[in-house]
Amino acid sequence: DAGITQSPRHKVTETGTPVTLRCHQTENHRYMYWYRQDPGHGLRLIHYSYGVKDTDKGEVSDGYSVSRSKTEDFLLTLESATSSQTSVYFCAISETERNEQFFGPGTRLTVL
Amino acid sequence: DAKTTQPPSMDCAEGRAANLPCNHSTISGNEYVYWYRQIHSQGPQYIIHGLKNNETNEMASLIITEDRKSSTLILPHATLRDTAVYYCIVRVGTASKLTFGTGTRLQVTL
Repeated sequence: DAGITQSPRHKVTETGTPVTLRCHQTENHRYMYWYRQDPGHGLRLIHYSYGVKDTDKGEVSDGYSVSRSKTEDFLLTLESATSSQTSVYFCAISETERNEQFFGPGTRLTVL
Repeated sequence: DAKTTQPPSMDCAEGRAANLPCNHSTISGNEYVYWYRQIHSQGPQYIIHGLKNNETNEMASLIITEDRKSSTLILPHATLRDTAVYYCIVRVGTASKLTFGTGTRLQVTL
């Protein structure tokens, strides 16, 4: 399995608080992605990164920001969490934009 | 990216071949067909992908029709561990984004 870890694995927080999720890889892959998964919607892309300090928006980026200061780490931040951001968040990596993506184990976030 | 249509659920007996269909009638010439699966709340797992030709790897075979409007993922000898949601995705070759639909829930039974 690709070396991808996500932390925390579970988090419960309150509306209005900031939250940061971390994705860490040991594969030295250039591309990293954040998805969210909700019932009835499948997985939807939030943001992705194509290199250190290079990021772009996905289809559901509102309310989220990302940062990538090192190849191995991709952070997803909810500046002020809302209940609609309760979801399971998956990180993925790929060697190039054309290659298959490998997914992490997920983070279950509950916003009360 | 082209839209895909998959049946919401399928059953398969253990040891038999599981054939999962996918319709992608609006696929463009530069779009690949990818298959992923997700086993109960784990992260999605890449299975196989192809452009025009049929493909086979250690996990599965991918059969793409000549007009490329549909494809079938074949798990030759399904086991209980293959119970999962299977996603068919079409993706432009140079695009980073994967667009997941709701997939097919495959239940393998004894």
